[in-house]
Amino acid sequence: QSVLTQSPSASGTPGQRVTISCSGSRSNIGTNTVNWYQQLPGTAPKVLIYSNNERPSGVPDRFSGSKSGTSASLAISGLQSVDEADYYCAAWDDSLNGWVFGGGTKLTVL
Amino acid sequence: QVQLVESGGGVVQPGGSLRVSCAASGFTFSTYGMHWVRQAPGKGLEWVAFIRSDGINKYYADSVKGRFTISRDNSKNRLYLQMNSLRAEDTAVYYCVKGDGWGQGTQVTVSS
Repeated sequence: QSVLTQSPSASGTPGQRVTISCSGSRSNIGTNTVNWYQQLPGTAPKVLIYSNNERPSGVPDRFSGSKSGTSASLAISGLQSVDEADYYCAAWDDSLNGWVFGGGTKLTVL
Repeated sequence: QVQLVESGGGVVQPGGSLRVSCAASGFTFSTYGMHWVRQAPGKGLEWVAFIRSDGINKYYADSVKGRFTISRDNSKNRLYLQMNSLRAEDTAVYYCVKGDGWGQGTQVTVSS
């Protein structure tokens, strides 16, 4: 079981808006910033969002992140087939003294 | 642009040792903490270890504590992971991670 909780799967049709959630606790999301990573099939993960809601250069503004209390969310608007991937949230945990990940959400574009 | 290139993976017998390395470029390596993260076949991401920028403070996942050692050489812009007493469950792709940048990974397979 992962310390951060994500739904195992999500889906949407092209053009739709999809939200992926990540639930934690006070010692991780409640205290520290959240990063989101996208892993396309057969490739290394890539950062989509860092520090809760910051997008690295090159990441489309269709991707946005937010955090409230002990939960975080990744929103993808204008869904495209190229967005089919696994998405992971991560945050430092002050109690475990380690970086914790969500179990990952597999996004399917129907 | 952050570049992280892992090397040193391979096949090792249970109980054996292996050291993987990561060459960093495109940023001031000596000012950033660095992670190792692994991914077993068909599984999610698992954090392995973290080392602060000065190389003094190190943190490990319980699953590798006492067997793995993370280290760095800031003069060479290199990150290392020494893995001892390897087990079948350590089989995974090992990634060097800056937080906002990932390497391509190196495969470690523990098998007799």
